[in-house]
Amino acid sequence: RKEVEQDPGPFNVPEGATVAFNCTYSNSASQSFFWYRQDCRKEPKLLMSVYSSGNEDGRFTAQLNRASQYISLLIRDSKLSDSATYLCVVNDGNTGKLIFGQGTTLQVKP
Amino acid sequence: DAGVIQSPRHEVTEMGQEVTLRCKPISGHNSLFWYRQTMMRGLELLIYFNNNVPIDDSGMPEDRFSAKMPNASFSTLKIQPSEPRDSAVYFCASSFHDTETQYFGPGTRLLVL
Repeated sequence: RKEVEQDPGPFNVPEGATVAFNCTYSNSASQSFFWYRQDCRKEPKLLMSVYSSGNEDGRFTAQLNRASQYISLLIRDSKLSDSATYLCVVNDGNTGKLIFGQGTTLQVKP
Repeated sequence: DAGVIQSPRHEVTEMGQEVTLRCKPISGHNSLFWYRQTMMRGLELLIYFNNNVPIDDSGMPEDRFSAKMPNASFSTLKIQPSEPRDSAVYFCASSFHDTETQYFGPGTRLLVL
């Protein structure tokens, strides 16, 4: 089983739609969680950290479910510019290093 | 503020040649990471350093790969000899601490013919 698993997609949605991505992780000792965004032929960039209580940043909402070991990202009112690959990132609870998922690709269509 | 700087941005070489990738982390960051990204395997951690000391090199594919960090502002990843299967994008990232947010450089696109 992969340490961090994501549905690769692609998710094709129209502008204005709400889309949600899920990610599962295997190490129950993991303490830090992030969503990164990677545009085509660019480097990954931090989108948002994920806190236990859930957190929101504009149109983006991240949630963590420790019991089920999954993380979610919700994007409301999607824009064309949201088209990218979204990487779920979890720290290795034993070593602290970050483990990246394979990413979920989102395509927002006009 | 300057982000993570990598050079070269693109490298095309022939099988058997030595390749050296360079990275300058963000000033003040204590951790530096080297990743490799391919379509098939995604983003893989090769090695990381804390305070210039290699902490985990379990991701380095084989002895052909080596990495150094002689000081806090410079690191190299060397492949010798290179092989076509080494073709990938190599990213360097840095952070204040190894469990915190990592900031990535623009990457080096390596093609080994």
